[in-house]
Amino acid sequence: DIVMTQSPDSLAVSLGERATINCKSSQSILHSSNNKNFLAWYQQKPGQPPNLLIYWASTRKSGVPDRFSGSGSGTDFTLTISSLQAEDVAVYYCQQYYTTYTFGQGTKLEIK
Amino acid sequence: QVQVVESGGGLVKPGGSLRLSCAASGFTFSGYYMSWIRQAPGKGLEWVSYIGSNGSTTHYADSVKGRFSISRDNAKNSLYLQMSGLRVEDTALYYCVSGLEYWGPGTLVTVSS
Repeated sequence: DIVMTQSPDSLAVSLGERATINCKSSQSILHSSNNKNFLAWYQQKPGQPPNLLIYWASTRKSGVPDRFSGSGSGTDFTLTISSLQAEDVAVYYCQQYYTTYTFGQGTKLEIK
Repeated sequence: QVQVVESGGGLVKPGGSLRLSCAASGFTFSGYYMSWIRQAPGKGLEWVSYIGSNGSTTHYADSVKGRFSISRDNAKNSLYLQMSGLRVEDTALYYCVSGLEYWGPGTLVTVSS
């Protein structure tokens, strides 16, 4: 099974500053058939189901603010929030869908 | 608009059984693979099972293999999860998910004596 490891477990960032969350997979999730990374990012606020932000590692879902961006390839990935807003306080998860599904343990993002 | 709604959760004793249902609307249900993903109270997300668009392909997490069974009825736009041999550690909010994008609000399963 592919293991997904996020860092850090929690993060406090000032409003307007950049937030960066990392995700590492135990094996490459870049598929040679389409040259795409099978990696998604979700945001989960208390009492709500997760909300898909990014898929194929860097494709933003329609309606997601452009301050959210995803990058990386192979085994190392990053979610960046370029200018933190109060409504971005949440837990963020990465997920691989290369073989079945696996989620990272989550990163709790708070305001400093 | 897209709606995904789970039902069937509840309190069950260890070793018991439960059947979860998921009703979907607002999208072409038969064109999507569907999944069950769970979240124990205060914990992270755990994939449980998924099923291909026509029902011929199914996969299960090791933690539920042999105890849970996923199925779908494309004529009724519905997804199911038959759970048996339930354990305390199966206690969680169970989400029905279409592809990656559409998640229901979840149905709570509590396994306790």
